[in-house]
Amino acid sequence: SQQGEEDPQALSIQEGENATMNCSYKTSINNLQWYRQNSGRGLVHLILIRSNEREKHSGRLRVTLDTSKKSSSLLITASRAADTASYFCATDAGSNYQLIWGAGTKLIIKP
Amino acid sequence: KAGVTQTPRYLIKTRGQQVTLSCSPISGHRSVSWYQQTPGQGLQFLFEYFSETQRNKGNFPGRFSGRQFSNSRSEMNVSTLELGDSALYLCASSPTGAAYNEQFFGPGTRLTVL
Repeated sequence: SQQGEEDPQALSIQEGENATMNCSYKTSINNLQWYRQNSGRGLVHLILIRSNEREKHSGRLRVTLDTSKKSSSLLITASRAADTASYFCATDAGSNYQLIWGAGTKLIIKP
Repeated sequence: KAGVTQTPRYLIKTRGQQVTLSCSPISGHRSVSWYQQTPGQGLQFLFEYFSETQRNKGNFPGRFSGRQFSNSRSEMNVSTLELGDSALYLCASSPTGAAYNEQFFGPGTRLTVL
């Protein structure tokens, strides 16, 4: 079963624009993580945000978490061609030992 | 520090055969998780091991099994292969567990069942 659902499923933007993708989940969480997957570097961790945090930044990435709405968003500013990838959110869904993944957002950055 | 390694990278098997995949975690990481990734189902959790103990198992049939050795290296086995087992199998390691900290993924093993 999938805990997280990313929205949109696909997103195509021009280089330099900002990209926003959303993740919704169903049950209470301890933390939520975002990962990126592309053919060159495989699956890579981006940010982990805990349930008591509302916002977190890492370079050009900004993640927000709204536990009341059971949703999170990932913002990539000033996008680059190298940001072309699939982005996944994953939650612990209250379990200490596993992550449950969304289906991902496919992001394409056009030059 | 060396990353997570998985062997083999590619496998082609026929229905009914069995397969063993191997994963070497980052040095010092005691938690190893396995995932199956397919275009239609996304990433599905298989199981997680910590210090040689399976702490959690996903919703997969008993044909899927795994183990972890004292050096934290892990193997997963799939017996009586079916066409639907064709997928990318990913292994990930973390210091204490996926839910506590980031996971580091290996490149995966691409399994094709004919």
